[in-house]
Amino acid sequence: GQNIDQPTEMTATEGAIVQINCTYQTSGFNGLFWYQQHAGEAPTFLSYNVLDGLEEKGRFSSFLSRSKGYSYLLLKELQMKDSASYLCAVRDDSTGRRALTFGSGTRLQVQP
Amino acid sequence: DGGITQSPKYLFRKEGQNVTLSCEQNLNHDAMYWYRQDPGQGLRLIYYSQIVNDFQKGDIAEGYSVSREKKESFPLTVTSAQKNPTAFYLCASSMDRGSNEQFFGPGTRLTVL
Repeated sequence: GQNIDQPTEMTATEGAIVQINCTYQTSGFNGLFWYQQHAGEAPTFLSYNVLDGLEEKGRFSSFLSRSKGYSYLLLKELQMKDSASYLCAVRDDSTGRRALTFGSGTRLQVQP
Repeated sequence: DGGITQSPKYLFRKEGQNVTLSCEQNLNHDAMYWYRQDPGQGLRLIYYSQIVNDFQKGDIAEGYSVSREKKESFPLTVTSAQKNPTAFYLCASSMDRGSNEQFFGPGTRLTVL
């Protein structure tokens, strides 16, 4: 099975940088996703990592280390609208099931 | 416009009644999924379907049923056997190849009274 851990809550200041960590344990790893979810809304795709390293996309970057079972999402130049939950999700193909397994999410509060 | 639709956005039912949540996509995606989300929690997989006329149980399938008669549609029935059905239900679809990025519908918030 999979075990995905991420912090429950984080607080940061507008304009600052915040790093949200995610650790996972899985036997058939085939990709890690980050989604953003505002309260009461559907998750929206932010990033995808399948190889080690950093993927940068505007203010958001995502890093993966497969050997450590570790990823982080980096948000730069924080804006108030970045207040949301950030979900880490892992794809595990070991069982033939190609669905994603989600962590519980990290609720980020951006303060003025 | 291409996308995933779920209806209704809010749904109220009395305890003991079955209720069916709709999910339609026009993205030509092969795979479709149903997740349940409880307050302050992540998404848990209920059922998924990788192809028409085939579906598989997820992690919390008890008390739920699905069908996949058409590629575009994947309705979820919450039966009276589901002990705690009040939750936010999200439908998703993906190409089922490549990264398998999932696209989500807007969700249905079900409240059982």
